[in-house]
Amino acid sequence: DAKTTQPNSMESNEEEPVHLPCNHSTISGTDYIHWYRQLPSQGPEYVIHGLTSNVNNRMASLAIAEDRKSSTLILHRATLRDAAVYYCILSAYTSGTYKYIFGTGTRLKVLA
Amino acid sequence: EAGVTQFPSHSVIEKGQTVTLRCDPISGHDNLYWYRRVMGKEIKFLLHFVKESKQDESGMPNNRFLAERTGGTYSTLKVQPAELEDSGVYFCASSQWGGVYNEQFFGPGTRLTVL
Repeated sequence: DAKTTQPNSMESNEEEPVHLPCNHSTISGTDYIHWYRQLPSQGPEYVIHGLTSNVNNRMASLAIAEDRKSSTLILHRATLRDAAVYYCILSAYTSGTYKYIFGTGTRLKVLA
Repeated sequence: EAGVTQFPSHSVIEKGQTVTLRCDPISGHDNLYWYRRVMGKEIKFLLHFVKESKQDESGMPNNRFLAERTGGTYSTLKVQPAELEDSGVYFCASSQWGGVYNEQFFGPGTRLTVL
């Protein structure tokens, strides 16, 4: 299975942009890249996903390297409510299922 | 609309005992997934139901784990007998369809402690 590598933790000041990196050097051509985040005492929640092109939604942007071996989740203006563990996930289609392969996650601390 | 719910939120049992975890997916979601995170490790896929059928159970660690989804609604995950290494957080997720575009909605998890 392909794996993802993320820094254990990062800090950001409130209202500043945050770039959360993820390395997935063994990604295959059909694997999608997903980002979820986990707020305290909750399960992971969807943030964004993409395959090859950069993606934007109301929560964040996803920048995918041309060779797809890395990606970056961009929070344009961090707020205190964005403090969470952010997971970079690959979804691989095997055995009839799009199986999520989680990274270890980056704990984001937002400073007021 | 209610989200994915899991019961109990926390369970403490002794080695050798049996525990049953329950997951209620979002109404109308045919796809239900179980994951777990053991101490210090990443969250790992256990299995995937489509309605009442097991689509993929390749992540189930061994035959001490049994998952069911009778009637295609709620699901249970039974661990019998529990071992120390089974301690961790068990998450359930559901999605309307199983394709890659379909967001999975996660429950808050059940924290299992085996003493």
